Amino acid sequence: EPEVTQTPSHQVTQMGQEVILRCVPISNHLYFYWYRQILGQKVEFLVSFYNNEISEKSEIFDDQFSVERPDGSNFTLKIRSTKLEDSAMYFCASLGDRGLGGELFFGEGSRLTVL
Amino acid sequence: RKEVEQDPGPFNVPEGATVAFNCTYSNSASQSFFWYRQDCRKEPKLLMSVYSSGNEDGRFTAQLNRASQYISLLIRDSKLSDSATYLCVVIAGGTSYGKLTFGQGTILTVHP
Repeated sequence: EPEVTQTPSHQVTQMGQEVILRCVPISNHLYFYWYRQILGQKVEFLVSFYNNEISEKSEIFDDQFSVERPDGSNFTLKIRSTKLEDSAMYFCASLGDRGLGGELFFGEGSRLTVL
Repeated sequence: RKEVEQDPGPFNVPEGATVAFNCTYSNSASQSFFWYRQDCRKEPKLLMSVYSSGNEDGRFTAQLNRASQYISLLIRDSKLSDSATYLCVVIAGGTSYGKLTFGQGTILTVHP
């Protein structure tokens, strides 16, 4: 079964440091997403990406965040200067069929711990 | 009012029990509805879509009431492996299809 892969599985960083989380979406998918889940809280939408540009972003996705698809396979989330409240599980997701019923496939997540 | 609201539980039921989860959503223009399952510290996985006519997948039955903005999930003959957090998920009208709005989740524990 095709899958979305994410690296690293866990990253510990100091406050103020830059972090890049990487994702390899399913190969024939065209729509890509980042979600996050703070421990004990709900999963929250961060950003959607299509055709090499952001199609929608949430209030959480401020200037500290950026996304990029540097090549044909990777999709990255960068946090420029991490804060304690950025500690969360970050899930990448991809979607092939945008029609009703198309399933969003999630990666296993990258756990970010900011000290 | 929360966009998607669920009873957080936890629900503790014996194997073989029937259990029902409820969910309400605030945006009347919401267009698509789902139940996802999330195991501890894992990614959400699609359990089933929810259609206006109601739909069933094996032991799982989902219902949607657009007038009341209410979604339900019924699990029959619970198995130990059903223990997980069940997430009610909605796509609001006017947003991109993959922009999911999640509820807090309902924790289910099935015990022997």
